[in-house]
Amino acid sequence: KQEVTQIPAALSVPEGENLVLNCSFTDSAIYNLQWFRQDPGKGLTSLLLIQSSQREQTSGRLNASLDKSSGRSTLYIAASQPGDSATYLCAVMTGANSKLTFGKGITLSVRP
Amino acid sequence: GAVVSQHPSWVICKSGTSVKIECRSLDFQATTMFWYRQFPKQSLMLMATSNEGSKATYEQGVEKDKFLINHASLTLSTLTVTSAHPEDSSFYICSARSTSSYSYNEQFFGPGTRLTVL
Repeated sequence: KQEVTQIPAALSVPEGENLVLNCSFTDSAIYNLQWFRQDPGKGLTSLLLIQSSQREQTSGRLNASLDKSSGRSTLYIAASQPGDSATYLCAVMTGANSKLTFGKGITLSVRP
Repeated sequence: GAVVSQHPSWVICKSGTSVKIECRSLDFQATTMFWYRQFPKQSLMLMATSNEGSKATYEQGVEKDKFLINHASLTLSTLTVTSAHPEDSSFYICSARSTSSYSYNEQFFGPGTRLTVL
């Protein structure tokens, strides 16, 4: 059974800092990995999708890497801003039925 | 592109009543949609996989007679919470799986529905 872990559960950083959010998964036989952002009381916004054959994806200040063999992914946020404050969820897709398994998320607070 | 909507965005109902939540893919066809629930400060838990034209597949521990899923078209899936109880109060989120070559197997999520059962 796939398990996804995100540690720490919460993180507080000053504005402008570069930061790395970690995600680990137990079953390396994945189809893809997605990073999402969730604001309080809201749905999910997809940030980056990395297919199993890829090693990284970039979008603006965000860069996500995938090391499938070691079961790890990182989300790098450059020059963090208060508007980046949210919960960041990592999810992996395994199995032919395309199920996503989510981590519990990292709640990020960027202090002005 | 790849927008998924949910209706209603929030609903309050009395215990014992049934509530229907709609999930629509607005600009793409989705043969597969997924229903999740999320409790406060918890992650998303998959409830069931909805396949167009066939019966939904429920995750272990999810009562199929309580959470009725209908996926009657390529753009619409509905979740009906029957005989709702206060413990069913949660945030319900749907997603639709893309089969386009550009975003193959990517899931796009709706904005969620907050259900409160009194």
